[in-house]
Amino acid sequence: DTEVTQTPKHLVMGMTNKKSLKCEQHMGHRAMYWYKQKAKKPPELMFVYSYEKLSINESVPSRFSPECPNSSLLNLHLHALQPEDSALYLCAGRQGTRDSPLHFGNGTRLTVT
Amino acid sequence: GQQVMQIPQYQHVQEGEDFTTYCNSSTTLSNIQWYKQRPGGHPVFLIQLVKSGEVKKQKRLTFQFGEAKKNSSLHITATQTTDVGTYFCAGPPGSARQLTFGSGTQLTVLP
Repeated sequence: DTEVTQTPKHLVMGMTNKKSLKCEQHMGHRAMYWYKQKAKKPPELMFVYSYEKLSINESVPSRFSPECPNSSLLNLHLHALQPEDSALYLCAGRQGTRDSPLHFGNGTRLTVT
Repeated sequence: GQQVMQIPQYQHVQEGEDFTTYCNSSTTLSNIQWYKQRPGGHPVFLIQLVKSGEVKKQKRLTFQFGEAKKNSSLHITATQTTDVGTYFCAGPPGSARQLTFGSGTQLTVLP
């Protein structure tokens, strides 16, 4: 069970496609995160939203475009991706202070062909 | 740069044996968190340690935070097949604003 819901679970897209990943939470998380995880590697931070405002962008290529329409929703828009962008994309929420633990969603397994 | 390393990278144990993974940071951590990720799953929060020298237990799992707050360990007593997965430590090293995940230890438990 997870407090953070991600859709879709799996996504296959071509390099010319435009797609979006969706993340939804109703637990009052004050910060939301996007992570990218390659096989057998730790999660790698991409973006952080704090109170619906983008607070951290870890030098992510512009082909990844985050959006936070409201406190419950987080989107990651994908355009012109490369095969090396294939990975597990994880959304996470944090309720308390910066030191509070993260609650991850199930992730979207993305394959770029 | 600031790094959080874990050893070993992989560990195979027979069911019933003990297991330990070690986490080392190049800088002081304000706190350390441990996560478990089952094969095909997502990281799940296990525990957080804040104080220097702190020890916490969860059933067969024992977590320690070093006196200098630069290292931590997770020990599992009498492993079970349900313990299979990758264990990550994570902390905000030094002045970092966000968590940095350790490299992870992948545990395989042989029945």
